[in-house]
Amino acid sequence: DTAVSQTPKYLVTQMGNDKSIKCEQNLGHDTMYWYKQDSKKFLKIMFSYNNKELIINETVPNRFSPKSPDKAHLNLHINSLELGDSAVYFCASSQDMGGLAEYNEQFFGPGTRLTVL
Amino acid sequence: QKEVEQNSGPLSVPEGAIASLNCTYSDRVSQSFFWYRQYSGKSPELIMSIYSNGDKEDGRFTAQLNKASQYVSLLIRDSQPSDSATYLCAVNTQAYGGATNKLIFGTGTLLAVQP
Repeated sequence: DTAVSQTPKYLVTQMGNDKSIKCEQNLGHDTMYWYKQDSKKFLKIMFSYNNKELIINETVPNRFSPKSPDKAHLNLHINSLELGDSAVYFCASSQDMGGLAEYNEQFFGPGTRLTVL
Repeated sequence: QKEVEQNSGPLSVPEGAIASLNCTYSDRVSQSFFWYRQYSGKSPELIMSIYSNGDKEDGRFTAQLNKASQYVSLLIRDSQPSDSATYLCAVNTQAYGGATNKLIFGTGTLLAVQP
């Protein structure tokens, strides 16, 4: 069973389009995250949600809007796509984001490679 | 100053040798430290976590933490070609005035194990 899954795996689209990436985890975790990994392989957090509540919102353009319908799902919608949005987007989850250190261990989905032409 | 620093490599070691990967971090109050392995085109995979000063061993992997020196390392004994990957150091650091934590990643060290 896949613990953290993402769809689609690949996304190729034109500049200016709107697209969504979906993420689901079946680990029973309370916290989910979106990360962006750029062409230099640097992995940076974008958002985190704890039990459907937005907790971390890094300096990300307003064109990026996460949505968590329940604690097992976290989706990312991107409006007006730009060339610079091309990257691999990873979803991750952890049991919690505070408390016991072990609860902060994050597990990653397979990633979505977004290419904006 | 980068929050989590790693040597980008590549670190090349012969098969069977010990690979030593190092990481330094800037936030003195960080409490949780993680090593992820990322194969090319794949997602990061958690291989070690360490929370207390000293060594933690798991199979061929040993994580070492020195909070006073703000230094974390990963040793891989009996390195195999299948260990060839990018190793990411991640540090859990306080965010938003201490209201929550977030994971800060280093840029990764590329390890190449030569058969």
